Amino acid sequence: AQSVTQLGSHVSVSEGALVLLRCNYSSSVPPYLFWYVQYPNQGLQLLLKYTTGATLVKGINGFEAEFKKSETSFHLTKPSAHMSDAAEYFCAVSSGSGNTGKLIFGQGTTLQVKP
Amino acid sequence: GAGVSQSPSNKVTEKGKDVELRCDPISGHTALYWYRQRLGQGLEFLIYFQGNSAPDKSGLPSDRFSAERTGESVSTLTIQRTQQEDSAVYLCASSKGLAGVNEQFFGPGTRLTVL
Repeated sequence: AQSVTQLGSHVSVSEGALVLLRCNYSSSVPPYLFWYVQYPNQGLQLLLKYTTGATLVKGINGFEAEFKKSETSFHLTKPSAHMSDAAEYFCAVSSGSGNTGKLIFGQGTTLQVKP
Repeated sequence: GAGVSQSPSNKVTEKGKDVELRCDPISGHTALYWYRQRLGQGLEFLIYFQGNSAPDKSGLPSDRFSAERTGESVSTLTIQRTQQEDSAVYLCASSKGLAGVNEQFFGPGTRLTVL
């Protein structure tokens, strides 16, 4: 079975500071990993994904994440937070070939950006 | 082009009543997913459609929940004899073929409140 743990339900940073949102996963097969963002009163939007290949993946809005198999982690980072980054962020995993594509989500992390 | 749409956007019902939630996926997307998001929690997978068939119904929480898809397009999630614990946002997503490699696009959700 697959699972996702997001460490910290709330993260608060100052504008311009580094953003680090933590995600650890459990999977018995090579995982596909995703970060989604949910802005207030909006639907989920894909930020970035890892399927195969390069372990450092870049997404929209300056976010990136690194797949570390040895640590079973896929932490999300952004060098400099902007006020518009305030939202809820979800890490998700699905299995690779032969799967249904269903996503298993973490509990979410709410990012607060202080001026 | 149009994204995934869901209706109604909000539904308030009394305990014991039946409700139907509708999802219109992106045209041409063969895969369709339903998820549930309870307050303060991550998304839970409910059911997956490939075409009009549902090869994975493992997330449906009880036999009060059912879903169908017709014309490889619109899908309806039905909850019979609603209970207060059914209160949640129900999200629909669609993707070209199998998700994972292909991005899942999410609708805005239906917020269900059971009184």
